[in-house]
Amino acid sequence: EAGVAQSPRYKIIEKRQSVAFWCNPISGHATLYWYQQILGQGPKLLIQFQNNGVVDDSQLPKDRFSAERLKGVDSTLKIQPAKLEDSAVYLCASSPLRSGELFFGEGSRLTVL
Amino acid sequence: TQLLEQSPQFLSIQEGENLTVYCNSSSVFSSLQWYRQEPGEGPVLLVTVVTGGEVKKLKRLTFQFGDARKDSSLHITAAQPGDTGLYLCAGGANNNDMRFGAGTRLTVKP
Repeated sequence: EAGVAQSPRYKIIEKRQSVAFWCNPISGHATLYWYQQILGQGPKLLIQFQNNGVVDDSQLPKDRFSAERLKGVDSTLKIQPAKLEDSAVYLCASSPLRSGELFFGEGSRLTVL
Repeated sequence: TQLLEQSPQFLSIQEGENLTVYCNSSSVFSSLQWYRQEPGEGPVLLVTVVTGGEVKKLKRLTFQFGDARKDSSLHITAAQPGDTGLYLCAGGANNNDMRFGAGTRLTVKP
């Protein structure tokens, strides 16, 4: 079974530029999560989708971050404009409906200069 | 917002030693999970506990969920270098909204 796929693995941008991350969850998993993990910290939930609807986006900085999950499968997380403090690993995870068990991708490491 | 506190933050031990790490919260969770994360990779689920007082064993790892479902511990017997990594606990309500602690970074020296 294929795991959660994320791209790009690494991205370096200047502050005020924009960036987008892509995630393809495990086939059949209804729930998709985006987490931000800053160096030395645990993952922080940014947004949770169930199918293509948003379940929780309370910790998403909506002035600069946006996410969508078209057709309830792939998802894209965008940051525009980026700030220095956005430097982190962005982890995508998926889980079967009502399971709560998360399967993570390898993450996308963002460096903002 | 559920806050999960993990201790210790860092732990460095010799191969063969035993250790326990903790995950505490003031909130009650419907389930609590433990993950291990290695550098450059995403966290990998080790176990899910759902019942207060529950104990689960996974080879040399023993996980316990507190009676009140607010805390958990992970005990490793005879640690090996392959156990090195970041151990994260995560709790949620109704299997949703899983929130993570900051983790315990374990180093096992040969």
